[in-house]
Amino acid sequence: NAGVTQTPKFRILKIGQSMTLQCTQDMNHNYMYWYRQDPGMGLKLIYYSVGAGITDKGEVPNGYNVSRSTTEDFPLRLELAAPSQTSVYFCASSHGDRAINEKLFFGSGTQLSVL
Amino acid sequence: AQKVTQAQTEISVVEKEDVTLDCVYETRDTTYYLFWYKQPPSGELVFLIRRNSFDEQNEISGRYSWNFQKSTSSFNFTITASQVVDSAVYFCALSPNAGKSTFGDGTTLTVKP
Repeated sequence: NAGVTQTPKFRILKIGQSMTLQCTQDMNHNYMYWYRQDPGMGLKLIYYSVGAGITDKGEVPNGYNVSRSTTEDFPLRLELAAPSQTSVYFCASSHGDRAINEKLFFGSGTQLSVL
Repeated sequence: AQKVTQAQTEISVVEKEDVTLDCVYETRDTTYYLFWYKQPPSGELVFLIRRNSFDEQNEISGRYSWNFQKSTSSFNFTITASQVVDSAVYFCALSPNAGKSTFGDGTTLTVKP
C-alpha cells in the first residue's frame, strides 16, 4: 500500500519559473491537503480539498493554485516562483469521516528552493 | 481562530530521563480533535495519537503518555525513559473537523546517549 506519494522530492527553481508538485493517494480518501513547512516552523495549510471538484484556500494560499479532478490526485501549482516559496511541501490525505479514527497521512515531502 | 502553542522550542535530555512536551491550544469550537505527530531527522511526519475533545481520559502507549486537560486547554506529551531514537521534532495539532489541522511550531527533542 503506497499511501500518499509526492513527486519530486527535490527541486530548484529560478525566480519567475513555474512548476507543479504532484500528489496522489491510493487510500480512497476524500480529503486532501497541501502544507508548507518553513525552517523551524510548524506546518501551514496552503489549500485543501474535501472531494473531487471541490477545493478551498487554507492559511497561506497566495502564489499557489490547486485542482482536484479525481479522488486520487491533488496537484499544487506554483506560478511565478518567488524566494519566499522556498520551503518543504507536504501533501496529506484523510478519510474525512469523524466516525473513523481520523488522522492525516503524509507524503514524504518536496524540498523546493527558489533562487 | 485556532491557535496551538508549543512554548518549548528545543529540549535536550540525557538518555533514560523522562521528558514532557507541552502543548496549549485555543479554539472556539466545542468539538475538536488534538493530535501529536513526530518528525524524525529523515523528515517524514508520523502520527502518534489523536484525542477527541469529549474524551479527557489520559492515554499510555508503552513509554509514551498523553495528558489532556480541557480546563487548561493543554495536551501534554510525556516520554518516559527517553531513548536516542526519540530525537525528533514533535508537533501538536488541533482540528475542528476531519482534517484541516492547525499545527504548533514544534518542539525539537534531542536525547543524548
